[in-house]
Amino acid sequence: ETGVTQSPTHLIKTRGQQVTLRCSSQSGHNTVSWYQQALGQGPQFIFQYYREEENGRGNFPPRFSGLQFPNYSSELNVNALELDDSALYLCASRPVQGGDYGYTFGSGTRLTVV
Amino acid sequence: AQSVTQPDIHITVSEGASLELRCNYSYGATPYLFWYVQSPGQGLQLLLKYFSGDTLVQGIKGFEAEFKRSQSSFNLRKPSVHWSDAAEYFCAVGAVNSGGYQKVTFGIGTKLQVIP
Repeated sequence: ETGVTQSPTHLIKTRGQQVTLRCSSQSGHNTVSWYQQALGQGPQFIFQYYREEENGRGNFPPRFSGLQFPNYSSELNVNALELDDSALYLCASRPVQGGDYGYTFGSGTRLTVV
Repeated sequence: AQSVTQPDIHITVSEGASLELRCNYSYGATPYLFWYVQSPGQGLQLLLKYFSGDTLVQGIKGFEAEFKRSQSSFNLRKPSVHWSDAAEYFCAVGAVNSGGYQKVTFGIGTKLQVIP
């Protein structure tokens, strides 16, 4: 197992800028979800991708968007950054086949908006 | 909509003592339930999960959890805590629709401190 890898690990952006975060899913996993974890909070669901299509979304505005590629890697894009977007962004993947619905999480990208 | 309540934000236990972290969930159907652990600056590691069957679930690192439908609870337990267990623990509930879409809702977390 290769696990879930995210890049970069840390990032500092200015308010109003755009950012792209990247994730490589665990081998054999074709479903990926992204979560935002603000300081002192639990992770909040942003959206999920399956076979390159978004098939679920949490309460986040359209300036949060994503992509999933044929090799099951994915991106989270955030436009017009706001100070409140500062958080740890977590990528999680799981296999659809079988009864295993547990997610494998990456270590996250710490985004700071100044 | 599903939700999770972890009533204890912070817990301190002595090394070697037993531990119980509380979790209550709200969901209309049979839920998928999880406990994750997060060390500072790290992602989440799955400790254990419940989907169906035996209501007492064994996980990694000596943890177990018991699903009680009547109480809508899924409390995490460990008989003897080690200093390395100090971390933040998240309870989560998952729901899967017919399209296979799973949304996992997390609690706010319980921070565990272990003292010598």
